[in-house]
Amino acid sequence: DAKTTQPPSMDCAEGRAANLPCNHSTISGNEYVYWYRQIHSQGPQYIIHGLKNNETNEMASLIITEDRKSSTLILPHATLRDTAVYYCIVRVGVSWGKLQFGAGTQVVVTP
Amino acid sequence: SAVISQKPSRDICQRGTSLTIQCQVDSQVTMMFWYRQQPGQSLTLIATANQGSEATYESGFVIDKFPISRPNLTFSTLTVSNMSPEDSSIYLCSVVRVDEQFFGPGTRLTVL
Repeated sequence: DAKTTQPPSMDCAEGRAANLPCNHSTISGNEYVYWYRQIHSQGPQYIIHGLKNNETNEMASLIITEDRKSSTLILPHATLRDTAVYYCIVRVGVSWGKLQFGAGTQVVVTP
Repeated sequence: SAVISQKPSRDICQRGTSLTIQCQVDSQVTMMFWYRQQPGQSLTLIATANQGSEATYESGFVIDKFPISRPNLTFSTLTVSNMSPEDSSIYLCSVVRVDEQFFGPGTRLTVL
């Protein structure tokens, strides 16, 4: 699975949009981009995933560049409960379990 | 979504002892996994728990240290054997349902 690069930390003001970048320049054509988050003392929570089209659900939006070498997770209106470590992972669609978690981005939402 | 429960939620154990962690899922799943998260670190896959056969271990993890059982499609156990302080971690169960992978709340283990 391709390696990802994320900033180690970022701050966000409550009510504002949080834009979390991820670089995956070695991604292969059959690899998906997944985002998870881990709130302190809890198991990771699935957020969203995509292959090449932009995706949106009730939690977030995922923007994938045309060359697929990078992506951005957007939390449209950050709340204090969004404070967590966010992981960007790329993996082949059928390789369940083989989620290679990197260091992630520690997001702190402040009032 | 999948509802996953783990027992115990946390424990403090003495070195040299063993602890068995249980993972229960609210309905049948095909794939179950066990992860470890050491203090301040990210998650590492320990093994895939296979129903009716031996677990498949990742590099660096062996059956003698982390025996795994999976008697049916909703339940699995992970045993941490002959524990040392280096085994202090959060151990997480994970399952795949439909097109998503879900994680349990974790078991926080401290070895003295």
